[in-house]
Amino acid sequence: DIHMTQSPSSLSASVGDRVTITCRASQNIINSVNWYQQKPGKAPKLLISLASSLQSGVPSRFSGAGSGTDFTLTISSLQPEDFATYYCQQIYSIPITFGQGTRLEIK
Amino acid sequence: EVQLVESGGGLVQPGESLRLSCAASGFIFNNHWMSWVRQAPGKGLEWVANINQQGSEKYYVDPVKGRFTISRDNAETSLHLQMNSLRAEDTALYYCARIFCTRNCYSGDWYFDLWGRGTLVVVSS
Repeated sequence: DIHMTQSPSSLSASVGDRVTITCRASQNIINSVNWYQQKPGKAPKLLISLASSLQSGVPSRFSGAGSGTDFTLTISSLQPEDFATYYCQQIYSIPITFGQGTRLEIK
Repeated sequence: EVQLVESGGGLVQPGESLRLSCAASGFIFNNHWMSWVRQAPGKGLEWVANINQQGSEKYYVDPVKGRFTISRDNAETSLHLQMNSLRAEDTALYYCARIFCTRNCYSGDWYFDLWGRGTLVVVSS
């Protein structure tokens, strides 16, 4: 199984800050990584597919990068609505696995 | 309206069975692979199972193999998860999710683009 190690597990930041979340795969997964945002009581929402493709309707302050084993999700200037939990997901091979999540909180 | 609506969750005792359903509407159901993803209370996301458009290919996470069965009824545009021999560790919110494949669904280039609200399964004595 491919293990996805996401860091940090939690992060406190302020509106306007630039934040980066990292996901490391236990083996080379090319660019088969998606990123989701989940708010309390809601289903996850896709932000980024194929490591760096921004989904339609997602603000451009979100960006994804990386290939091989190391991937990042960056929010260039945090907005109040961005405080949520973020998950990376590898879809390179079965079983599909998620990172453990990064909870982004208001400082 | 394009949506997925799960049902069938509830409180059951260890060893019992439960059948979850997901009603799809607003899109061509048999064009898409489908999936179940679960989330234990206060925990992260765990993929459970995938099924292809025809229902001929099914994949499962190891902890549920041999106990859970994913199926679909394209005529009724519904997805199901038959869960047998339930354990306390199966307690979770179960989401139905639609898979969108960019090129083909075997190329590591797909994602969950539509989710339901989930149905809660609690396994406890």
